[in-house]
Amino acid sequence: EAGVAQSPRYKIIEKRQSVAFWCNPISGHATLYWYQQILGQGPKLLIQFQNNGVVDDSQLPKDRFSAERLKGVDSTLKIQPAKLEDSAVYLCASSPLVGGTDTQYFGPGTRLTVL
Amino acid sequence: DQQVKQNSPSLSVQEGRISILNCDYTNSMFDYFLWYKKYPAEGPTFLISISSIKDKNEDGRFTVFLNKSAKHLSLHIVPSQPGDSAVYFCAARQDQTGANNLFFGTGTRLTVIP
Repeated sequence: EAGVAQSPRYKIIEKRQSVAFWCNPISGHATLYWYQQILGQGPKLLIQFQNNGVVDDSQLPKDRFSAERLKGVDSTLKIQPAKLEDSAVYLCASSPLVGGTDTQYFGPGTRLTVL
Repeated sequence: DQQVKQNSPSLSVQEGRISILNCDYTNSMFDYFLWYKKYPAEGPTFLISISSIKDKNEDGRFTVFLNKSAKHLSLHIVPSQPGDSAVYFCAARQDQTGANNLFFGTGTRLTVIP
């Protein structure tokens, strides 16, 4: 079974530029998550989708971050404009079920550096 | 507000000995706890979990202990192997919400010395 795919793996941009990350979850997984992991910290949930609907985006800085999950499969996370403090690893995860308690499977992440 | 805390950023253990990783939480509504393991340049991978109705869960060399009254859990690895060297994250969630949101600790880097 293929895992969660993310691209690009690394991205370096200057502040005030825009950037987009892509995630392809495990086939058939209903729920998709985006996490931000700043160096030295644990992952922090940014947004959770169930199929193509948003379940929780309370931690998403909506003035600059946006995310979508078209057709309930792939997802993109965008930052516009980027700030220095957005430098982090952005992790995508998916889980099979709608709601409930099930394991989240993580992708390798995209490491963003904002200069 | 860090609701899940791992106060030891690193731990070194000799191969064959026991590794004990600790985690504390502040939110009494958490009722499901997980440990994830992370190698460099990879995403976290699920290791073991425990529900709040239990105080111990074992899977091979890995055992998780939960002390609800102290809001504390620990992961025991015995015997430790060099391949166990990784960053270990403790995570917690509230099952009742159904949202499956995980709150992570800051991680403990385990080094198993051959």
